Amino acid sequence: AQTVTQSQPEMSVQEAETVTLSCTYDTSENNYYLFWYKQPPSRQMILVIRQEAYKQQNATENRFSVNFQKAAKSFSLKISDSQLGDTAMYFCASLTNFGNEKLTFGTGTRLTIIP
Amino acid sequence: EAQVTQNPRYLITVTGKKLTVTCSQNMNHEYMSWYRQDPGLGLRQIYYSMNVEVTDKGDVPEGYKVSRKEKRNFPLILESPSPNQTSLYFCASSSTPTGLGTDTQYFGPGTRLTVL
Repeated sequence: AQTVTQSQPEMSVQEAETVTLSCTYDTSENNYYLFWYKQPPSRQMILVIRQEAYKQQNATENRFSVNFQKAAKSFSLKISDSQLGDTAMYFCASLTNFGNEKLTFGTGTRLTIIP
Repeated sequence: EAQVTQNPRYLITVTGKKLTVTCSQNMNHEYMSWYRQDPGLGLRQIYYSMNVEVTDKGDVPEGYKVSRKEKRNFPLILESPSPNQTSLYFCASSSTPTGLGTDTQYFGPGTRLTVL
């Protein structure tokens, strides 16, 4: 079974600082996708960033970037210049079975940005 | 506006009273899924559908039913709800298998269900 592990239940950081959220995953597949989703207090699930496993280059979306270490099965999210609106629950997820479109989620990291 | 809608957003019911949570998408997506979110467990897939009349079980299908009679709609049915189905439910859709394109899954706003 595929597993995704987020070992930091909660984190907090001062506004404008940089924070890194950790995620490790386990799969025997060679081709897969990894995602970070943001869930603000509104509960909406918002895609932050995605990474294709066959791409060596780390994905970047504005202030959000990932550090994808395929051999170590690690997929961390870095948020630069953090803003109050970044306060949310963040979920790491993998997709390895393209037939059922099943995302396997981690348990989440609650991130609080302190003014 | 491209979106996935769910109704109701909040529901309190009693054990054994049948209920349906509706899900609709306006993007002509083929793939749709239902997830439940529980504290400390993340989101888990309940059922998915690859197209009209094609559905299959996810990781936690017990106690749930789905149907896909139209491409845009994918209702979740709890025929005899129990307290352990108290959860936050999300519907999601995508146009192509994620592995074959640049699309990804779009989530609805969530339905908070409480079964007493």
